Amino acid sequence: AQSVTQPDIHITVSEGASLELRCNYSYGATPYLFWYVQSPGQGLQLLLKYFSGDTLVQGIKGFEAEFKRSQSSFNLRKPSVHWSDAAEYFCAVGIIQGAQKLVFGQGTRLTINP
Amino acid sequence: SQTIHQWPATLVQPVGSPLSLECTVEGTSNPNLYWYRQAAGRGLQLLFYSVGIGQISSEVPQNLSASRPQDRQFILSSKKLLLSDSGFYLCAWSGGAEGETQYFGPGTRLLVL
Repeated sequence: AQSVTQPDIHITVSEGASLELRCNYSYGATPYLFWYVQSPGQGLQLLLKYFSGDTLVQGIKGFEAEFKRSQSSFNLRKPSVHWSDAAEYFCAVGIIQGAQKLVFGQGTRLTINP
Repeated sequence: SQTIHQWPATLVQPVGSPLSLECTVEGTSNPNLYWYRQAAGRGLQLLFYSVGIGQISSEVPQNLSASRPQDRQFILSSKKLLLSDSGFYLCAWSGGAEGETQYFGPGTRLLVL
């Protein structure tokens, strides 16, 4: 069955430090991969997506992610975090069954220390 | 540009009461529509999806139902709410020029007491 694992439930980093959020997926075919961000009480905002082609994808707010097929990973990175990046981050894999459905990881909550 | 609306934003309902949550999309035609639930401290679970008017697919057995009476309207309902129906409900759409990418609404927080 398809699944997404985000090993880190909660991460704390200092403002200005670099960030990497981990995501591993299980899916038999070539995956569609997504990262979304959710601020408290809000909906999900798309940060970036990978469908095919260049394995390093750029997103909004200075985020990037790298697809590594050999490791079944799609880790999210940012070179220097800002206090406004504090939020919950969700990795998802898209599977085609009738329509494209998203299978989400459990999320990683990011806290920023001043 | 496309926008997605959900209402109400917050709802407090007693156990056993009915439920109707509404989602509408603007700026696109024939979207795929989705309902997700996010329980406290947990990830998102797909409840229903629809590829067209009157076409509803259920992902998990539950106390809820969905309907799509118009092309860009998706409704989540229940005849009798349970305590376990509490959560954050998110509607999403995909299709058109955006292809397979799903875009989410602002959500409805439901508290069943």
